[in-house]
Amino acid sequence: DAKTTQPTSMDCAEGRAANLPCNHSTISGNEYVYWYRQIHSQGPQYIIHGLKNNETNEMASLIITEDRKSSTLILPHATLRDTAVYYCIASYNNNDMRFGAGTRLTVKP
Amino acid sequence: ETGVTQTPRHLVMGMTNKKSLKCEQHLGHNAMYWYKQSAKKPLELMFVYNFKEQTENNSVPSRFSPECPNSSHLFLHLHTLQPEDSALYLCASSQGKGQGVYSPLHFGNGTRLTVT
Repeated sequence: DAKTTQPTSMDCAEGRAANLPCNHSTISGNEYVYWYRQIHSQGPQYIIHGLKNNETNEMASLIITEDRKSSTLILPHATLRDTAVYYCIASYNNNDMRFGAGTRLTVKP
Repeated sequence: ETGVTQTPRHLVMGMTNKKSLKCEQHLGHNAMYWYKQSAKKPLELMFVYNFKEQTENNSVPSRFSPECPNSSHLFLHLHTLQPEDSALYLCASSQGKGQGVYSPLHFGNGTRLTVT
């Protein structure tokens, strides 16, 4: 699986957009980009995934660069409940889903 | 309610004990997973079951023994563990392979295991 690189931590003001970057420069053509998050004391939660097109759902937007070497997860209006560790994963499928250290996002009032 | 229930939430066991972790999913999924999350380390995929068949075993020591009697239940049997096995053990489920549309992993809230 492609290795991903994310910043260790980020802060965001409540109500503002949170933009979480991820580098996956060795991603192969058939690997998707997945985002999960883990709120303290809970299991990880799926957010969104994509292959090469930008994606949007009720939780977030995913912007993937044209060369697919990086992506950005956007939480359009961050709330305090969005404070969590966010994981970016490049993988073929769930059988190879390898979580890294992620980005610890802190949303501040 | 996550749809994936893990019991117990907390477990303390000695190195000579035998215990089991239980996971049950109510989502109609056919793939189930065990992950280990140690302090300050990323989640590690341990085992994968698709349609009750084990398809992945990521070099996990034999003191961890999984069992999947049906698509809704998954167990992790523990024996002669070491203190370094203390961690959060997470169970997940998904719709499995070959479905065309991606089925996200649904995680339980884990069992916090302490080995003394």
